[in-house]
Amino acid sequence: EVQLLESGGGLVQPGGSLRLSCAASGFSFSGYAMSWVRQAPGKGLEWVSAMSGSGGSTYFADSVRGRFTISRDNSRNTLYLQMNSLRAEDTAVYYCAKANRGYNWNYFDYWGQGTLVTVSS
Amino acid sequence: DIVMTQTPLSLSVTPGQPASISCKSSQSLLHSDGKTYLYWYLQKPGQPPQLLIYEVSNRFSGVPDRFSGSGSGTDFTLKISRVEAEDVGVYYCMQSIQLPGLTFGGGTKVEIK
Repeated sequence: EVQLLESGGGLVQPGGSLRLSCAASGFSFSGYAMSWVRQAPGKGLEWVSAMSGSGGSTYFADSVRGRFTISRDNSRNTLYLQMNSLRAEDTAVYYCAKANRGYNWNYFDYWGQGTLVTVSS
Repeated sequence: DIVMTQTPLSLSVTPGQPASISCKSSQSLLHSDGKTYLYWYLQKPGQPPQLLIYEVSNRFSGVPDRFSGSGSGTDFTLKISRVEAEDVGVYYCMQSIQLPGLTFGGGTKVEIK
């Protein structure tokens, strides 16, 4: 059974930093691209970032490029999202999602329960 | 980015009756490889999204056959043949022909009458 468990969310001041983690189990982690998708309170879904299975390719939404970094440790089956220069508009539940392939992926087939990030003074 | 527009915003359905949700994209989702990169997700209350349909019309593992997807190019439809109480939630379409630039529709909330 595929399981994705996010952690690291919390309250942070504008301009601050936070690192999210996603612990994966139930599949061959290094064989699949992984992604972060966020949902602001009461709003829809916004794709944030993705990384190929090998870690060689990364992708970012324009809204976070230059501020967020995605990484993975395939030996620990864990995905990370380093978020810097946080803004109020980054407040959201951040979901970790597994992609359908390691490279040339197209969709997300499993999602974690999410972790809430609140950016406020 | 490709804009995904869903209608209606909300839907109230009597159990056992059909429901239909439309999703229109600002550009064609037909790739040169012949595939159309349009997907449907359901987010039940308090839960993460779950995949229903991939590449327009293919049901994901475990998805009941009352769910079906259709369409081509820029116009797509998700149909529920007979709505059940467990189908309540917000339905999202998603396109991934542009990576980066993957985008979701605004969502359609389905409620039971």
